Amino acid sequence: DGGITQSPKYLFRKEGQNVTLSCEQNLNHDAMYWYRQDPGQGLRLIYYSQIVNDFQKGDIAEGYSVSREKKESFPLTVTSAQKNPTAFYLCASSSGLVWGREQYFGPGTRLTVT
Amino acid sequence: GEDVEQSLFLSVREGDSSVINCTYTDSSSTYLYWYKQEPGAGLQLLTYIFSNMDMKQDQRLTVLLNKKDKHLSLRIADTQTGDSAIYFCAESGSARQLTFGSGTQLTVLP
Repeated sequence: DGGITQSPKYLFRKEGQNVTLSCEQNLNHDAMYWYRQDPGQGLRLIYYSQIVNDFQKGDIAEGYSVSREKKESFPLTVTSAQKNPTAFYLCASSSGLVWGREQYFGPGTRLTVT
Repeated sequence: GEDVEQSLFLSVREGDSSVINCTYTDSSSTYLYWYKQEPGAGLQLLTYIFSNMDMKQDQRLTVLLNKKDKHLSLRIADTQTGDSAIYFCAESGSARQLTFGSGTQLTVLP
């Protein structure tokens, strides 16, 4: 089955710790994205990558970092510099042949920092 | 920057039609999308429409696009309890990325 997986589904961390969220896709998509979702709000773009070894900041990149060493994988690190890290994090991918084409989403990771 | 607006809540009776509305500001939008999100889950692409179309029908779903008014709507015919979810409108355009609305919570009453 082709799709996007995110792990874990729930993650708990203490304040001051960095944490890495996993995102893997087997859709052979070039482009991958990370979004943050807060209650009652839409999705806000954190980082995106159009191709391996290249990524760009989205609207709210401060306090986050990413890497794209493999086409299938786009991990997101939430650093201790992120002021309000508790949120629902969604990873997505798209074929990227036409920028802005439909994106396919993973099931999300809910991060709670206390 | 680009903006996408949706009303936050909609309630309908089971069997009725639901109409979810969306307005956007980017006049260079090329594709407009509707996504569905069930509780605690990711977003599921429902349908999309290219900006040179004014209507698209897919089974119970009808998308209407008024490009002049920058208004998009999603009509769900014969709404069922399983349609209860948050529906997001999104557009792609000059920003070269998707811009999402804040979502409309659809509640289907028995």
